[in-house]
Amino acid sequence: AQKITQTQPGMFVQEKEAVTLDCTYDTSDPSYGLFWYKQPSSGEMIFLIYQGSYDQQNATEGRYSLNFQKARKSANLVISASQLGDSAMYFCAMREGTDSWGKLQFGAGTQVVVTP
Amino acid sequence: DGGITQSPKYLFRKEGQNVTLSCEQNLNHDAMYWYRQDPGQGLRLIYYSQIVNDFQKGDIAEGYSVSREKKESFPLTVTSAQKNPTAFYLCASTPDGRQETQYFGPGTRLLVL
Repeated sequence: AQKITQTQPGMFVQEKEAVTLDCTYDTSDPSYGLFWYKQPSSGEMIFLIYQGSYDQQNATEGRYSLNFQKARKSANLVISASQLGDSAMYFCAMREGTDSWGKLQFGAGTQVVVTP
Repeated sequence: DGGITQSPKYLFRKEGQNVTLSCEQNLNHDAMYWYRQDPGQGLRLIYYSQIVNDFQKGDIAEGYSVSREKKESFPLTVTSAQKNPTAFYLCASTPDGRQETQYFGPGTRLLVL
């Protein structure tokens, strides 16, 4: 069964606008971590932001924030003030449990294109 | 500079040939991982290693083998048993597997001739 679902295959966003990328997850483990990675056309995976299941506040890192809704099992990424360099593939990932040795499960990704 | 290096950037394999992808890190990380990415898809875990001389199968280990003789090195061999090896391969590491963030190398693109 799919553990991470990203329903938006692709999105266009205008420069300087905000964009929200959807991510829903499925787990019965009370302890888990949620990650967002950016993959530009070069291929390297760049870590953006992390949210732990027990974190009380939504994570923020610069222009990136994570809208964590635990009851709905969603962890949407918000990118504020989009820049042309934000054009990339974005992946949501989950680590389940405290002893899973960091194994990540990834969604299929969302392609973001920022237009001038 | 500290980081993860992967080589080569592009690799071509002939039918029936084994090829080895290199992954080296100088971050002093204990845990290392290999992922496969097919076009338009997310990453899938092939193998991971928690410590030297120990490694575990991931979700798609068939047709692959690994070794972990040194802390900084985790090479992946794509054997002839892997019938569809064309993909992008990414190596990652964490300080130990329980830490939050995995750091990735630049990847190797494998093509079958």
